[in-house]
Amino acid sequence: DTAVSQTPKYLVTQMGNDKSIKCEQNLGHDTMYWYKQDSKKFLKIMFSYNNKELIINETVPNRFSPKSPDKAHLNLHINSLELGDSAVYFCASSPLGQFTDTQYFGPGTRLTVL
Amino acid sequence: AQSVTQLDSHVSVSEGTPVLLRCNYSSSYSPSLFWYVQHPNKGLQLLLKYTSAATLVKGINGFEAEFKKSETSFHLTKPSAHMSDAAEYFCVVSTRRDYKLSFGAGTTVTVRA
Repeated sequence: DTAVSQTPKYLVTQMGNDKSIKCEQNLGHDTMYWYKQDSKKFLKIMFSYNNKELIINETVPNRFSPKSPDKAHLNLHINSLELGDSAVYFCASSPLGQFTDTQYFGPGTRLTVL
Repeated sequence: AQSVTQLDSHVSVSEGTPVLLRCNYSSSYSPSLFWYVQHPNKGLQLLLKYTSAATLVKGINGFEAEFKKSETSFHLTKPSAHMSDAAEYFCVVSTRRDYKLSFGAGTTVTVRA
């Protein structure tokens, strides 16, 4: 059983399109996250939700909109895709969102914008 | 603000020899420190973490790390490298003040047969 799953694994699309990435965790965790990993493998947090409430919103273009329908799901919608959005996007979850928590990562979604 | 510096971008070792990955952190508050590993085209997996208990932390697959407050370091070691240890390793810090994870730039480990 996959603990944190993401779909799709690969996403290739044209500039200007709108796309979504879905994430689900079956660990019963309260907190979920989205990270972006750039081409140099640098990881940066984008968003965090705790029990469906947004608690971290880093400096991310407002073309990116997270949505959490319930605490087991955190989806990422991206409008008007740009070349610079090409990256690997990771979803993660943690039990309570505390600074000592282990975060559990999904396998990633590789987004390529042409 | 908190930050992490991984002192080596790339480490190459022979199979069976020790591995040392160096990490220094900066934080105004007591930190939690983590090492995560990312194998090619995979997600990240926790190797070990320090959260203010014992300063010598043992993790999975024979890895361990020592928290040294005086040196603001959290270096990762393994006595004998295996081919399966070839991966990207990230040192990560979080604090009570800024509880999001801040990642280092990563260290790529290659293991020679």
